[in-house]
Amino acid sequence: QSVLTQPPSASGTPGQRVTISCSGSSSNIGSNTVNWYQQLPGTAPILLIYNNNQRPSGVPDRFSGSKSDTSASLAISGLQSEDEADYYCAAWDDSLNGLHVFGTGTKVTVL
Amino acid sequence: QITLKESGPTLVKPTQTLTLTCTFSGFSLSTSGVGVGWIRQPPGKALEWLALIYWDDDKRYSPSLKSRLTITKDTSKNQVVLTMTNMDPVDTATYYCAHTPLFGLFDYWGQGTLVTVSS
Repeated sequence: QSVLTQPPSASGTPGQRVTISCSGSSSNIGSNTVNWYQQLPGTAPILLIYNNNQRPSGVPDRFSGSKSDTSASLAISGLQSEDEADYYCAAWDDSLNGLHVFGTGTKVTVL
Repeated sequence: QITLKESGPTLVKPTQTLTLTCTFSGFSLSTSGVGVGWIRQPPGKALEWLALIYWDDDKRYSPSLKSRLTITKDTSKNQVVLTMTNMDPVDTATYYCAHTPLFGLFDYWGQGTLVTVSS
């Protein structure tokens, strides 16, 4: 039951910049911070961006995040072959008793 | 170093109850602010959040699955247990547990365990 909407796919050639959007509502992105996860094929997700635009230690600076009103974006600059993966946005949602919501996921392909 | 690992059956029959255990190290569930969550992912599909439990025993559930889920913790064993009743083939998925330092954030994940529901 994803309430955060992402495009199903995105692609680019090595070195290009790719942007992924994440659309939510006032009860989730509009009220809370956004986090992004990267899931390489056959592996568990890893935290890529937290608190809208912060990178955990070890995450390359070519990954960046931003948020505006009820939407967020993930940008990958200088796309590399190892960036081919699924990407998910996520946030806390204040509706009902509070719940966590993930995005629908975006498959990034490096051409 | 925080690590988590899921364990449980790989195959369950329809209508049975699934019990999964998350065994962790590198943190304590008696520490203020700390929690553990469960997330699942059907083959080829998106991540779906299931439940959360915090150090103070605050529990949150996915509204769509709340009637079927129970999450508990054993602080002395460093374990969190998730039970899901009345399993159905659509519940076939990889189930992950993850550490959360605050609402909405999972910073460390287990490797996941694939559960297949089939007769």
